[in-house]
Amino acid sequence: QQKVQQSPESLIVPEGGMASLNCTFSDRNSQYFWWYRQHSGEGPKALMSIFSNGDKKEGRFTAHLNKASLHVSLHIKDSQPSDSALYFCAVRAGTGSNRLTFGKGTKFSLIP
Amino acid sequence: EAAVTQSPRNKVAVTGGKVTLSCNQTNNHNNMYWYRQDTGHGLRLIHYSYGAGSTEKGDIPDGYKASRPSQENFSLILELATPSQTSVYFCASGTGNSDYTFGSGTRLLVI
Repeated sequence: QQKVQQSPESLIVPEGGMASLNCTFSDRNSQYFWWYRQHSGEGPKALMSIFSNGDKKEGRFTAHLNKASLHVSLHIKDSQPSDSALYFCAVRAGTGSNRLTFGKGTKFSLIP
Repeated sequence: EAAVTQSPRNKVAVTGGKVTLSCNQTNNHNNMYWYRQDTGHGLRLIHYSYGAGSTEKGDIPDGYKASRPSQENFSLILELATPSQTSVYFCASGTGNSDYTFGSGTRLLVI
């Protein structure tokens, strides 16, 4: 069964600062990866996906994937108050699987 | 706008009672999912469906049943609710490599 682990559990950075969220997975057949963001009282929303090794940048967010190391990360630069949320890493195996396995999440907060 | 709508938003149930959580999607997605969210556990998959008439067990199916009577609707049923099933439940829809679309959640308290 796929295991997805996230670190750190919580992260506090100053406004305008940079942050790195990490995620490791156990199934070497994993092919598809997402970062989801959940604001308090809402459902999770997809932030970005990454399917190929390397970096993918979308605005202030950059995802990095290394399938050989079973590792995916999310980097946030110029942190804004709206970034304060719970961030989930989600992993899907290859073709034939329609299931996403989520990590436990990283709680990201800004120092006012 | 395509959406996933859950009802009720909040529910208080008595131990041993039957609870039905409903989910409707307008995304025309084949796949639908039920997750529960608990502090320290993240999102855990209970049941999912590949289309009308199909249901599959997820990682924590014990104590839950699911029903998918149509493409749009997917229900989660707790036949005999227990306090350990107090949680926030999320429904989601998705297809292929698309992002999942989640509903706003149902907060269930079993007393």
